[in-house]
Amino acid sequence: EVQLVESGGGLVQPGGSLRLSCAASGFTFSTFWMSWVRQAPGKGLEWVANIKHDGSEKYYGDSVKGRFTVSRDNADHSLYLQMNSLRPDDTAVYYCARDQGYLLLDYWGQGTLVTVSS
Amino acid sequence: QSALTQPPSASGSPGQPVTISCTGSGSDVGVYNYVSWFRQHPGKAPKLIIYEVNKRPSGVPDRFSGSKSGNTASLTVSGLQAEDEADYYCSSYAGSNNWVFGGGTKLTVL
Repeated sequence: EVQLVESGGGLVQPGGSLRLSCAASGFTFSTFWMSWVRQAPGKGLEWVANIKHDGSEKYYGDSVKGRFTVSRDNADHSLYLQMNSLRPDDTAVYYCARDQGYLLLDYWGQGTLVTVSS
Repeated sequence: QSALTQPPSASGSPGQPVTISCTGSGSDVGVYNYVSWFRQHPGKAPKLIIYEVNKRPSGVPDRFSGSKSGNTASLTVSGLQAEDEADYYCSSYAGSNNWVFGGGTKLTVL
């Protein structure tokens, strides 16, 4: 059974940093693209970033470019999102998802809440 | 990236069909057949129900169908059921390694 479990969310002050993790199981992690998608409270979905199966390609949404970094450890079946220079409008539930390509997100985690507030 | 445009709400009676539109531009929906649809129940993660405009993942009922005409994609749910009451989001590839979502449509089963 495919499982994705996010962790690392919490309350952080504006300008601060946070690192999210996503533990994957039930599939050959090293052969899939992975994506991060976020959802602000009461709002819609926003694509954040994705990363190729071997980590050689990474792409970011305009709102996080230069502040967030996506990475992965295939040996550990883990996906990460390093978030720096956090702003209040980064407050959202962050989901990791398996990406079959072109945002064909067929499995999602349960999400982890990040709150940026002083 | 500009978000795709969806109606904020839609509704229908059980057993009836309902269609949700997703309007983009000639830079995303109009030129790429990489349109996906997701269903999200309150407090839950989204679930993929349509990909590449009109393909259904395994396990998704054939009540769900997708189509595209010009810059607008559409999701049709035929034979509405109570469990279909949820938020629905479209997404599209927008070129240059960018992806955009629609603002979401809240579907109410009357």
